[in-house]
Amino acid sequence: ETGVTQTPRHLVMGMTNKKSLKCEQHLGHNAMYWYKQSAKKPLELMFVYNFKEQTENNSVPSRFSPECPNSSHLFLHLHTLQPEDSALYLCASATGAGDSYGYTFGSGTRLTVV
Amino acid sequence: DAKTTQPPSMDCAEGRAANLPCNHSTISGNEYVYWYRQIHSQGPQYIIHGLKNNETNEMASLIITEDRKSSTLILPHATLRDTAVYYCIVRVSGAGSYQLTFGKGTKLSVIP
Repeated sequence: ETGVTQTPRHLVMGMTNKKSLKCEQHLGHNAMYWYKQSAKKPLELMFVYNFKEQTENNSVPSRFSPECPNSSHLFLHLHTLQPEDSALYLCASATGAGDSYGYTFGSGTRLTVV
Repeated sequence: DAKTTQPPSMDCAEGRAANLPCNHSTISGNEYVYWYRQIHSQGPQYIIHGLKNNETNEMASLIITEDRKSSTLILPHATLRDTAVYYCIVRVSGAGSYQLTFGKGTKLSVIP
């Protein structure tokens, strides 16, 4: 365990479904991130939250909706996804200040859209 | 943040040192060099980072050239569990949230 917990580990959903991914950390970190990793592609940064405030949205389609109720929890709400959204979704956290030990990643949620 | 260049793949015999190079010729004075690795279907794992001095921890050593335009990650005694994609990233230091931009990395295969 890395200290960043993602649930569920695997998710299969239809294109008309609504689902949510959850990320939780109790490392005392203030910054949290969502990344997407499609097959054989580099990790793509989706959203950045710092002290619960969204500071970055990298042109992500509105069918992905993040929520950060506090510094320990991060959600990614999904609705009307497309098959090309199938990927590994990774959550990470960091201290948000200075250069300690970089990011801590969760194990990811493997999403399949059918 | 500065761009990095890494070989797409490397092999290393089990028990030998694995030396993974990274070029970052456009690095700025306030940019750190970070190394992460990603074992298949898991999240990336932090390995080490440095500014200009060589660094060592329980996982690896980081050697940064004097001009800071390249670096080498050294795994002193590679094991089969070190088979992974290794990412070299440079980013600006400082307070506030920061982003790490991952490239394609080097796929290291440790061979028995």
